[in-house]
Amino acid sequence: NAGVTQTPKFQVLKTGQSMTLQCAQDMNHEYMSWYRQDPGMGLRLIHYSVGAGITDQGEVPNGYNVSRSTTEDFPLRLLSAAPSQTSVYFCASKFRGVTEAFFGQGTRLTVV
Amino acid sequence: ILNVEQSPQSLHVQEGDSTNFTCSFPSSNFYALHWYRWETAKSPEALFVMTLNGDEKKKGRISATLNTKEGYSYLYIKGSQPEDSATYLCAFLNAGNNRKLIWGLGTSLAVNP
Repeated sequence: NAGVTQTPKFQVLKTGQSMTLQCAQDMNHEYMSWYRQDPGMGLRLIHYSVGAGITDQGEVPNGYNVSRSTTEDFPLRLLSAAPSQTSVYFCASKFRGVTEAFFGQGTRLTVV
Repeated sequence: ILNVEQSPQSLHVQEGDSTNFTCSFPSSNFYALHWYRWETAKSPEALFVMTLNGDEKKKGRISATLNTKEGYSYLYIKGSQPEDSATYLCAFLNAGNNRKLIWGLGTSLAVNP
């Protein structure tokens, strides 16, 4: 049981480049989320999904796209990277209802 | 605006000390309160998910209480050990939108041997 797998762990991008952060879970969780974590700020929700084919925006969705074609995968796309997107990104998944969230190991992204 | 506040921001204790910290959240439309432990260079791991007013949960030396009427939860660590050093996060779920966890900034605990 791998849990929540995020790739890559580290990435450096140039301003304007695009990339996809991958997230996969093998626990059959309905809910999946992407967060960013910046110094002095709490985890901020970027996008989330409550099931395959359903996605919604969180607090800070601008500059990011998501899709949920399968229950297992929830990739996060940076369309045109900006230095403001330098952050640590976490993917999380959970069952619906009052259940705990499981986090991936994080991706440290630097945009130069 | 739904805010979750945690205090203190950071805490330094000696090995063997017992300690506690607070998570404050809106008392109206309460749905659930989560506690997570986040070690440096790792990802957050769930400690407790609490829903009932007056609930108390325990995992080893760590326990948590919940007061939904006044909007706070306490996390207690008995006999702190160096391996307890981590950031402790709480997150609130609102009944009006129970799909989005609202996170506090965490309490950073350092336990000196």
